[in-house]
Amino acid sequence: DTAVSQTPKYLVTQMGNDKSIKCEQNLGHDTMYWYKQDSKKFLKIMFSYNNKELIINETVPNRFSPKSPDKAHLNLHINSLELGDSAVYFCASSQGLEDTQYFGPGTRLTVL
Amino acid sequence: GNSVTQMEGPVTLSEEAFLTINCTYTATGYPSLFWYVQYPGEGLQLLLKATKADDKGSNKGFEATYRKETTSFHLEKGSVQVSDSAVYFCALTPILTGGGNKLTFGTGTQLKVEL
Repeated sequence: DTAVSQTPKYLVTQMGNDKSIKCEQNLGHDTMYWYKQDSKKFLKIMFSYNNKELIINETVPNRFSPKSPDKAHLNLHINSLELGDSAVYFCASSQGLEDTQYFGPGTRLTVL
Repeated sequence: GNSVTQMEGPVTLSEEAFLTINCTYTATGYPSLFWYVQYPGEGLQLLLKATKADDKGSNKGFEATYRKETTSFHLEKGSVQVSDSAVYFCALTPILTGGGNKLTFGTGTQLKVEL
């Protein structure tokens, strides 16, 4: 009964490809997030959705497009992948806008 | 803007040693403060949190006290175990009014505990 799950766990792809990462939470939370962790383990928020509405967009290239089909899902689609997109991407969720965030296991993306 | 500064790692300790990982922050108002832990090959787990000044968060023998006067939230444990080896992240969320919530993380401190 995983609270926040992500698929796939590992993703290896070529430059220029388009890929998606999926996130699902079964906590009944209203708010979901995407974070990027670089090779030095630095974590930075990318997006946040509250009740399927985008509320945070942190100067991320528009090649990245989050999609929230319902409150329990927040997927991340990336177009025209670049080498610099290689990182671990974490999904998270919280009950409200100011509540504790719970993280998924991460998706390690490697762009060759 | 908001920022979190953590001590550089890696920190290497012998089992049963005392642990302190320093964390200081810059933020307006009264942010909530967190420690997250990332075990090798795994995602982030919430370790403890404090939401107002002088609050002490504690979990699994770890504790941290929210010190507004020194803008600090240092993590401590009296006796570390090999199983505590992980990367520890200090983080904050600002107090916002409906504008959304985002964790600002420190750079992480790797802890290695040896027998």
